[in-house]
Amino acid sequence: AQSVSQHNHHVILSEAASLELGCNYSYGGTVNLFWYVQYPGQHLQLLLKYFSGDPLVKGIKGFEAEFIKSKFSFNLRKPSVQWSDTAEYFCAVTPISSGSARQLTFGSGTQLTVLP
Amino acid sequence: ETGVTQTPRHLVMGMTNKKSLKCEQHLGHNAMYWYKQSAKKPLELMFVYNFKEQTENNSVPSRFSPECPNSSHLFLHLHTLQPEDSALYLCASSGKAYNTDTQYFGPGTRLTVL
Repeated sequence: AQSVSQHNHHVILSEAASLELGCNYSYGGTVNLFWYVQYPGQHLQLLLKYFSGDPLVKGIKGFEAEFIKSKFSFNLRKPSVQWSDTAEYFCAVTPISSGSARQLTFGSGTQLTVLP
Repeated sequence: ETGVTQTPRHLVMGMTNKKSLKCEQHLGHNAMYWYKQSAKKPLELMFVYNFKEQTENNSVPSRFSPECPNSSHLFLHLHTLQPEDSALYLCASSGKAYNTDTQYFGPGTRLTVL
């Protein structure tokens, strides 16, 4: 079964700092990759996704992520964070292979706190 | 207005109670999901329904009983729960199950079992 690792449980940054959240997955085949965000008191929302093509994907609110197949990684980045980016961020993976259930597997999440 | 609504948003119940969680999606999707989100743990997929048929049960205890009367509604019936079942229960929907379609989540029901 596939698994997803998010290395940082809690990240604290000051406004305007750059952000990179790590995500690694374990699955040898083709995957679809997602980053979801959960703002305080709100539901999980899709931030960005990678299905195929350009490994650098851009999402909402200035976020981007790069898929590096050789490293089984899909790190999330933002050049300059804002206080409103305070939230919990989840990486998720679903394998693409015929005959198997394509479950969406989540990492344990990274809580980002941005100090004003 | 989110496309996926859940009620109630908060629920406190005793171990001998029976309660139900409700999920409704307004997105015209055919697949619906129940997840459990516990503190410090990854989201755990519990059940998957595709076109009203249950296609996945991730070894969930029988004290959790799902029901999907149509593609827009999903219920989770709860009975004789344990305190360790306290968690945020999330409902999601997508165009099709087991596809590249994005899953859209509801706000969740915060369940506390006393």
